[in-house]
Amino acid sequence: RKEVEQDPGPFNVPEGATVAFNCTYSNSASQSFFWYRQDCRKEPKLLMSVYSSGNEDGRFTAQLNRASQYISLLIRDSKLSDSATYLCVVNKADTGRRALTFGSGTRLQVQP
Amino acid sequence: EPEVTQTPSHQVTQMGQEVILRCVPISNHLYFYWYRQILGQKVEFLVSFYNNEISEKSEIFDDQFSVERPDGSNFTLKIRSTKLEDSAMYFCASGGAWGSTDTQYFGPGTRLTVL
Repeated sequence: RKEVEQDPGPFNVPEGATVAFNCTYSNSASQSFFWYRQDCRKEPKLLMSVYSSGNEDGRFTAQLNRASQYISLLIRDSKLSDSATYLCVVNKADTGRRALTFGSGTRLQVQP
Repeated sequence: EPEVTQTPSHQVTQMGQEVILRCVPISNHLYFYWYRQILGQKVEFLVSFYNNEISEKSEIFDDQFSVERPDGSNFTLKIRSTKLEDSAMYFCASGGAWGSTDTQYFGPGTRLTVL
């Protein structure tokens, strides 16, 4: 089983649509969870951290289910500028280990 | 807003040559990292560095690789005797102090092409 697994997409959605991405991770000891976005041939940029209680940042909502080892990202009212690859990222686990483990990413294309 | 910087943006080298990739982390961060991304593949962890020593490394980070913090601002990745399969984007990242979140901020990357 992959350490972090994501649906590769692409997700093609019209502007204004709501889209949801899912991610599962294999290491139950993982401690920190993030969504990054990556534009073509650019660096990963932090979108948001993910907390057990769920958290929201504007149009973006992230959820974490530790029991199911499942992370989600919801984007409401999609904009053209949201077109990118969304990376599910997990801290590699164990206290003091800070290496991030990346999923392969889900590509989103928002169309006019 | 402070950011991680990397030089050069693109490095072309011949197989067997040595390259040094440079990074300037965010100034008050204490943890520094190198990751790589082969074209079309996922981002992979190489090494983390804290308190002037390697704190963790992946199986990719073998004797061909080394890291150094030669002064108070730069953080370098040296790749000796480059191979074709070393062609990739190399990202430097930095993060905060112990006990803070694990949030890491990435530089724009160096694209390494080995011919």
